[in-house]
Amino acid sequence: GQNIDQPTEMTATEGAIVQINCTYQTSGFNGLFWYQQHAGEAPTFLSYNVLDGLEEKGRFSSFLSRSKGYSYLLLKELQMKDSASYLCAVRAGGFKTIFGAGTRLFVKA
Amino acid sequence: DAGVTQSPTHLIKTRGQQVTLRCSPKSGHDTVSWYQQALGQGPQFIFQYYEEEERQRGNFPDRFSGHQFPNYSSELNVNALLLGDSALYLCASSLDLRGQETQYFGPGTRLLVL
Repeated sequence: GQNIDQPTEMTATEGAIVQINCTYQTSGFNGLFWYQQHAGEAPTFLSYNVLDGLEEKGRFSSFLSRSKGYSYLLLKELQMKDSASYLCAVRAGGFKTIFGAGTRLFVKA
Repeated sequence: DAGVTQSPTHLIKTRGQQVTLRCSPKSGHDTVSWYQQALGQGPQFIFQYYEEEERQRGNFPDRFSGHQFPNYSSELNVNALLLGDSALYLCASSLDLRGQETQYFGPGTRLLVL
């Protein structure tokens, strides 16, 4: 079967660093995506990893280990506006993208 | 540069009815995917259209069908609506790069079936 696991909820403090983990088991792999989704809105693209290693983009970084079926999203210098759901998604075999259920991040003052 | 647009934004239907949702892709994109997102869940892949044909489908019944037009816009049709079809329907567009393209999502259509 195809499965993506990520924590349901996390809480962090403004200005801190938080790491959201994602593990996946899919029949194929053609890249891993992270999306941010605020309540009632559409997902917005954050990052894409297809090779092992760390991709950094401003306050956001994403890491991938294909051999371990593992990724994480690192958010630095947290701001209140970062409170949202973070979706891990895998482009599995073919053209299908499989999403995890999302991690709801609460940033407190 | 217009992003992905969807219409309508909200819709209320009753069981057994049929619904058509519409999507216009981001300028320069040629591929449209449709997703269903239930409350508190991640988006579930319904199908993807490229060159006016459905080229991959997720685990959804035949009640869900679609179409892509020559201008790359797309429609999602759902027949014989069930209460469980109530969800946010998301359209995502991309430029075909043989599986490595990034998808950009529209604002979604929120469907409520009574």
